[in-house]
Amino acid sequence: QKEVEQDPGPLSVPEGAIVSLNCTYSNSAFQYFMWYRQYSRKGPELLMYTYSSGNKEDGRFTAQVDKSSKYISLFIRDSQPSDSATYLCAMRDAGGRRALTFGSGTRLQVQP
Amino acid sequence: DTAVSQTPKYLVTQMGNDKSIKCEQNLGHDTMYWYKQDSKKFLKIMFSYNNKELIINETVPNRFSPKSPDKAHLNLHINSLELGDSAVYFCASSRGQGARNSPLHFGNGTRLTVT
Repeated sequence: QKEVEQDPGPLSVPEGAIVSLNCTYSNSAFQYFMWYRQYSRKGPELLMYTYSSGNKEDGRFTAQVDKSSKYISLFIRDSQPSDSATYLCAMRDAGGRRALTFGSGTRLQVQP
Repeated sequence: DTAVSQTPKYLVTQMGNDKSIKCEQNLGHDTMYWYKQDSKKFLKIMFSYNNKELIINETVPNRFSPKSPDKAHLNLHINSLELGDSAVYFCASSRGQGARNSPLHFGNGTRLTVT
């Protein structure tokens, strides 16, 4: 079993829809949670960064962390065709000696 | 201004050859990484250097040897290439290791194809 599980998709939604992307994890030591967006033929870029449990909002994006359930989510409101990409969750423990552990990514397609 | 740059962008080579990938960052970061992304988009850490010192070395074959001549550069040399080495290799950098707010900045990857 991988430490971080993520549905690979693809997830296809119409423009304007609310998108929900999720990851589950098994390592209770994870404290820092991130979402990266990766366009085709490009490197991942950081989208959202949260520490421990709770919500964080940035424009159309909201990240949620539920440590009791070992479950994190990324919500995208009013999705746009430009949001079409692969979304990777990533996390690390508080010690930080280990590098980030990534999920395998969910491919999102927003249809115009 | 490219923050993390890798060369070459594409690399096609035959089994058994030796090849190198170069990475440079101009962000002033002191930690650099090599990640391997397979065909299913799974990103896996290979190596990490902090101030030119190797700090993470996952179970990677000895055929892979990273070299960090200075904080801004981390190169990857691969000996005796095998078909299974075909993947996209990403270089990344961050400020410190495990610092609370030190996200990774990635290059655009080197797509390696071994035939």
